[in-house]
Amino acid sequence: QVQLVQSGVEVKKPGSSVRVSCKASGGIFSSFSINWVRQAPGQGLQWLGGIVPISNLPRYAQMFQGRVTITADTFTTTAYMELSTLRSEDTAVYYCAVAARPDYFFAYWGQGTLVSVSS
Amino acid sequence: DIQMTQSPSSLSASVGDRVTITCQASQDISRYLNWYQHKPGKAPKVLISDVSNLKAGVPSRFSGSGSGTHFTLTISSLQPEDIGTYYCQQYDHLPQFTFGPGTKLEIK
Repeated sequence: QVQLVQSGVEVKKPGSSVRVSCKASGGIFSSFSINWVRQAPGQGLQWLGGIVPISNLPRYAQMFQGRVTITADTFTTTAYMELSTLRSEDTAVYYCAVAARPDYFFAYWGQGTLVSVSS
Repeated sequence: DIQMTQSPSSLSASVGDRVTITCQASQDISRYLNWYQHKPGKAPKVLISDVSNLKAGVPSRFSGSGSGTHFTLTISSLQPEDIGTYYCQQYDHLPQFTFGPGTKLEIK
């Protein structure tokens, strides 16, 4: 069984960056598709991007291209999502979510990390 | 990018009702479509993958159908624990994913 544990609450100023981690245990980390999904207050789910560690090639949603960086460390089985140039609209709960290949659905989810952006 | 729409955006139904949620893609996505249930304070949960593949542990009152650009999620007999927001999600094999805007389901 795959378990995902995310880092804790972040409070940031506009214009700064945030980095959220997602530690995976169980399963074969290098073959996962590790994704980042957020939900802003009163809004729906948004996919920011993802990475398959074995290929180390990230994919990003067009609206976050240039502002989000997703990486994965196969030695520590930890994935990271960094979002830069933060604005108040980035206030959201950020989830990591894993699709265990060859599947293309998010079977496993982290507990969520609240990122609050406020001056 | 492929755009996903859902209807209705919100829905109120009685226990025992048959409920249908529709998801439409802006272009043909074959059968690359999943459904999730999301409850406040919890992580989303996958219900159905690849249009109609019911995931383990999901009650059989949930079902999915469709192909191409038009898809539906049906709850055959609504139960109180089914309240939440439902999202469709399309994918390709890059992989990239897009969620629909969601349908909030409430009990009358």
